[in-house]
Amino acid sequence: DIQMTQSPSTLSASVGDRVTITCRASQSISSWLAWYQQKPGKAPKLLIYKASSLESGVPSRFSGSGSGTEFTLTISSLQPDDFATYYCQQYNSYSFTFGPGTKVDIK
Amino acid sequence: QLQLQESGPGLVKPSETLSLTCTVSGGSISSSSYYWGWIRQPPGKGLEWIGSIYYSGSTYYNPSLKSRVTISVDTSKNQFSLKLSSVTAADTAVYYCARGTTVVNYWGQGTLVTVSS
Repeated sequence: DIQMTQSPSTLSASVGDRVTITCRASQSISSWLAWYQQKPGKAPKLLIYKASSLESGVPSRFSGSGSGTEFTLTISSLQPDDFATYYCQQYNSYSFTFGPGTKVDIK
Repeated sequence: QLQLQESGPGLVKPSETLSLTCTVSGGSISSSSYYWGWIRQPPGKGLEWIGSIYYSGSTYYNPSLKSRVTISVDTSKNQFSLKLSSVTAADTAVYYCARGTTVVNYWGQGTLVTVSS
């Protein structure tokens, strides 16, 4: 099965910062990658699908890129509402897998 | 607006079977366009995909859980269910039900299941 890794595991940043999170797959998944945001006590929320497509209603400061085995999620200007944990997920195979998560907290 | 709601015991004894149901409202579980799945999250940890079922009846399970998991659909009740057998403390988690096409578009609110004697 396909394994996912994320870096960093924790990221401290300030409002207005540009933030980049990396996700790597153990084998090529083409562009079958999604990004989710999760806040404490809440279900995850879809941000990006097919590596770079922005889900409806998600602010344009979020963007995704990559293909194959390496992907990035970028927040162009961090806002107070963006402090959360971010997960990547591959859906190249029917056995979906999530990355371990990246927590973005206040510097 | 589609809504998913998990229900089931919040406490299960070790070695027993965990059983959860997800009730779908605002849409039909019989739609051929979607899969219905279960995802869990141990306290303070990350997300783990448990498995999913498609309209065709095909099921796909996490290989690490496959021997213990069954997901089924009851179209008459617009529900789908999860059974996880031989549970241990490591199965303590918030369990989410979900709907997706490829990615997960809708999530339930999650229900905490604790495995303890």
